[in-house]
Amino acid sequence: DAMVIQNPRYQVTQFGKPVTLSCSQTLNHNVMYWYQQKSSQAPKLLFHYYDKDFNNEADTPDNFQSRRPNTSFCFLDIRSPGLGDAAMYLCATSRGPDSNQPQHFGDGTRLSIL
Amino acid sequence: AQSVTQPDIHITVSEGASLELRCNYSYGATPYLFWYVQSPGQGLQLLLKYFSGDTLVQGIKGFEAEFKRSQSSFNLRKPSVHWSDAAEYFCAVGNQAGTALIFGKGTTLSVSS
Repeated sequence: DAMVIQNPRYQVTQFGKPVTLSCSQTLNHNVMYWYQQKSSQAPKLLFHYYDKDFNNEADTPDNFQSRRPNTSFCFLDIRSPGLGDAAMYLCATSRGPDSNQPQHFGDGTRLSIL
Repeated sequence: AQSVTQPDIHITVSEGASLELRCNYSYGATPYLFWYVQSPGQGLQLLLKYFSGDTLVQGIKGFEAEFKRSQSSFNLRKPSVHWSDAAEYFCAVGNQAGTALIFGKGTTLSVSS
């Protein structure tokens, strides 16, 4: 089945130690998104790629970066994780960039900071 | 600014009973409206969407939702709830000018036997 796959499902890192989360898709969608979801809260969009074009949300901290080396893969890099960055990170894809395009989500990576 | 309100943080219904989850939105034009479901430890799954046309939309797993412009609402319903429906439900709105979805804070559904 075509899907969005996130690895790892659980990630533990130390305070200040860089960490990378990965997302891959077999849907051949043009857009890939990264959301942060803290406990009992709604997902919050960090940024998205439309093909190779990177679009950062205005309130996304500089500590968060992303790379999309090809259509299938997208990475979330957290340069110096703080305790407040502990959250579930969700990757999603859509066929096009308009908000009428349904987004397909992976199962997320739960990040813990020691 | 766009916003989505889900007034109920937590709802418990008996298995077999009917369900209605409320969603109100704030947006000047006709929005794109979505309901997603999130089971514990998993990502979000699209239940249904509304863009235009028939205001009653059918989704997966026996869910439906009705768009009411006069009330700025898009409530989710199911006639008979199953224990497997226990999950977090998110209403979301997208605008015609942008990409981002704005999610409500979610409603946790518990199903009692």
